[in-house]
Amino acid sequence: LAKTTQPISMDSYEGQEVNITCSHNNIATNDYITWYQQFPSQGPRFIIQGYKTKVTNEVASLFIPADRKSSTLSLPRVSLSDTAVYYCLVGERSSASKIIFGSGTRLSIRP
Amino acid sequence: NAGVTQTPKFQVLKTGQSMTLQCAQDMNHEYMSWYRQDPGMGLRLIHYSVGAGITDQGEVPNGYNVSRSTTEDFPLRLLSAAPSQTSVYFCASSRQGGSTGELFFGEGSRLTVL
Repeated sequence: LAKTTQPISMDSYEGQEVNITCSHNNIATNDYITWYQQFPSQGPRFIIQGYKTKVTNEVASLFIPADRKSSTLSLPRVSLSDTAVYYCLVGERSSASKIIFGSGTRLSIRP
Repeated sequence: NAGVTQTPKFQVLKTGQSMTLQCAQDMNHEYMSWYRQDPGMGLRLIHYSVGAGITDQGEVPNGYNVSRSTTEDFPLRLLSAAPSQTSVYFCASSRQGGSTGELFFGEGSRLTVL
């Protein structure tokens, strides 16, 4: 499994766009990139998944450069409720593979 | 739609006691897993299963046992509880393992070992 590196913490303000970058230098050809969000006292929840270029949904965008050695989760116009821990996962689309979480990035949004 | 259900939500044990954390899902998911999360830390994989009758170890399996006799249930057994096992435990399920899609989590079980 490709190891991921994320910043331990980030701060931002309401209304700003927040970009969280994840480094995965050893990503394999068949690996996908997935991001989860975890609020205090809750289990993580799926945000977005991608393989290359750009993926967008109603919550976030995921930017993946051509070499796929990093990815950036973009949260547009954050609010206080976006304060959470964000996890970047990289893994193969194989039904037999385990799913490993890293340490995540603790995002704090201020008024 | 229940999703992933964990019981109990809270439990206090004495050192050396055994117990089972229950996990059930009603989404017919093949992949199920158990994680532990210590304060301020990320999630660490304990055991996982890619289908009924199949289980395997994760990152921190020592002191825990699992079985998967049905698709729906994936209990986690603590054989002889130790204070180091004080943690929040999350059960999760997915249609398949790997990064094939969304992993659904239960609400967590907070365990304290005295």
